[in-house]
Amino acid sequence: QVDLVESGGGVVQPGRSLRLSCAGSGFIFSVYGIHWVRQAPGKGLEWVAGMSYDGNNKYYADSVKGRFAVSRDNSKNMLYLEMNSPRADDTAVYFCVKDRGPSIPVTVTSGMDVWGQGTTVTVSS
Amino acid sequence: SYVLTQPPSVSVAPGKTATVTCGGHYIGSKSVHWYRQKPGQAPVLVVYDDKDRPSGIPERFSGVNSENTATLTISRVEPGDEADYYCQVWENSGEVLFGGGTKVTVL
Repeated sequence: QVDLVESGGGVVQPGRSLRLSCAGSGFIFSVYGIHWVRQAPGKGLEWVAGMSYDGNNKYYADSVKGRFAVSRDNSKNMLYLEMNSPRADDTAVYFCVKDRGPSIPVTVTSGMDVWGQGTTVTVSS
Repeated sequence: SYVLTQPPSVSVAPGKTATVTCGGHYIGSKSVHWYRQKPGQAPVLVVYDDKDRPSGIPERFSGVNSENTATLTISRVEPGDEADYYCQVWENSGEVLFGGGTKVTVL
């Protein structure tokens, strides 16, 4: 069974750091691009960041560029999101999402076909 | 940056056809993906690359994309189709965008 499980969410103070993790199973992790998508309370979906299958290409939304960093360890089937200098408007449920394709620059997403259940991040003092 | 425009809501009677639009400048030149999200659940991909369906998605879900509008059509609507629907594209800059979402209500 294909699955993604996020962890690491919680309450973080503005300006502190938080690292989210995502564990993949049931598929060849190293072949597919992986993304982070978030959803603020009562709001729509917002793509945050993505990474190509091999980790060589990273993509970020303007709203997090320079503050968040995505990385992956294909030997452990893990994806990470380092949230630096979080702000109140980063409060959201963060989903780890598998792409149908490798997420290389010629096709950043071929559609996102597997979603984790999400981990909640609350930025508050 | 690129903007995707969806109607906030669409209402449809059971058994009828629901149409959800996604407007964008020359969106017909991009690949559009569609997601369904029910309350309290993670989204599910229902259409990818404008018109293709993942395994397990019924043929009642179809998509087209032309010029400045992409459209998701749900035929023979069932109560279980009630959900929020989002369109998605990617830009050459590497950015991925979602539309604002459309709440489909089954009357």
